[in-house]
Amino acid sequence: KAGVTQTPRYLIKTRGQQVTLSCSPISGHRSVSWYQQTPGQGLQFLFEYFSETQRNKGNFPGRFSGRQFSNSRSEMNVSTLELGDSALYLCASSLPGQNTEAFFGQGTRLTVV
Amino acid sequence: DAKTTQPPSMDCAEGRAANLPCNHSTISGNEYVYWYRQIHSQGPQYIIHGLKNNETNEMASLIITEDRKSSTLILPHATLRDTAVYYCIAPNQGGKLIFGQGTELSVKP
Repeated sequence: KAGVTQTPRYLIKTRGQQVTLSCSPISGHRSVSWYQQTPGQGLQFLFEYFSETQRNKGNFPGRFSGRQFSNSRSEMNVSTLELGDSALYLCASSLPGQNTEAFFGQGTRLTVV
Repeated sequence: DAKTTQPPSMDCAEGRAANLPCNHSTISGNEYVYWYRQIHSQGPQYIIHGLKNNETNEMASLIITEDRKSSTLILPHATLRDTAVYYCIAPNQGGKLIFGQGTELSVKP
């Protein structure tokens, strides 16, 4: 079956712009989580959505937001981009339940110039 | 999430077993131990998880001590393609994984 699909794979944006990233989870997976990976901070949790509701949130400013649609697809948005937002953004999906494994997409590489 | 501690790096000869340790002394009774790995610039890949019994799948084995304060991931016959950063995680909230710095495993010919 198809894995987690993230689009686009690469993106270059200018400071001050906003960006929307998309994630299509594995069929049947209703939980979608987003992570930011930078060389300095490593992999950091952004937020998690389940059944169109944000269930968990990491320690990121309000410029980072997300949403989930009824088909479980998710988008994350970053407004007023800063140079420090340059990172690999990863999406993971999992089945409902506490102790299920997460499957990650290949990520979107965002470069802010 | 329980805090996990892993060595920053390890080397392993190709064809030999790679044993990656993880300490999770603050783990609570209902927290599973998960292992993921990340090959350079790719998304993390799930390997295995367990609660208190040893687990084995087609990729690896997971040995958890009886007191659950530590575990070891075993790759029985490491190949060059197993070179990656390995993360040990003990999440307590369904979809929220807290990644540490992991162990950078280098498999050498």
